[in-house]
Amino acid sequence: GAVVSQHPSWVICKSGTSVKIECRSLDFQATTMFWYRQFPKQSLMLMATSNEGSKATYEQGVEKDKFLINHASLTLSTLTVTSAHPEDSSFYICSARDLGAGELQPQHFGDGTRLSIL
Amino acid sequence: RKEVEQDPGPFNVPEGATVAFNCTYSNSASQSFFWYRQDCRKEPKLLMSVYSSGNEDGRFTAQLNRASQYISLLIRDSKLSDSATYLCVVNSWPYNQGGKLIFGQGTELSVKP
Repeated sequence: GAVVSQHPSWVICKSGTSVKIECRSLDFQATTMFWYRQFPKQSLMLMATSNEGSKATYEQGVEKDKFLINHASLTLSTLTVTSAHPEDSSFYICSARDLGAGELQPQHFGDGTRLSIL
Repeated sequence: RKEVEQDPGPFNVPEGATVAFNCTYSNSASQSFFWYRQDCRKEPKLLMSVYSSGNEDGRFTAQLNRASQYISLLIRDSKLSDSATYLCVVNSWPYNQGGKLIFGQGTELSVKP
């Protein structure tokens, strides 16, 4: 089945560091990828929609200069958390849309990245 | 009001019990509906899609009531391995027109021996 690979799975770093997270669709082309954030005991919140070859669409309240998204190819999207602070500590999950799969399998999720900022 | 609302949980049930989760959504234009399962510290995994006519997959039965904007999931003969958080998910508009998934807060299920 379709697989989305997300890397790294766990990051611990100092406050002020920028962290890049990669999301790859391994066996399908993804013109659209999604980035979510999940805080403990809360649901997934969509941060932005990443479209290959164009600017990402950010959800209300998400700072585009803080969370840089690049979707340069049909199989790779990256999220960079710039100058991360402890409040950015969260579980970040990407997903990719395989248009060929139809509505029965809307998005394939990566394994998630647990980000801890000290 | 949240776009997708679920039972607060947690649900603590014995093995073999039948448990039902409910979910309501606010956008009447929503097109497709899903139940996802999320294990602790893991990514969500699609459990089943929800069709207007209702659908069943083994011990799991999903129902959709568009008039009431209500979705349900029934788990029969619950197993220890069913312990997880169950997420009600709604796609706001047709998938092939750029729809996006809206997740409910999730309902935690704990099945005890």
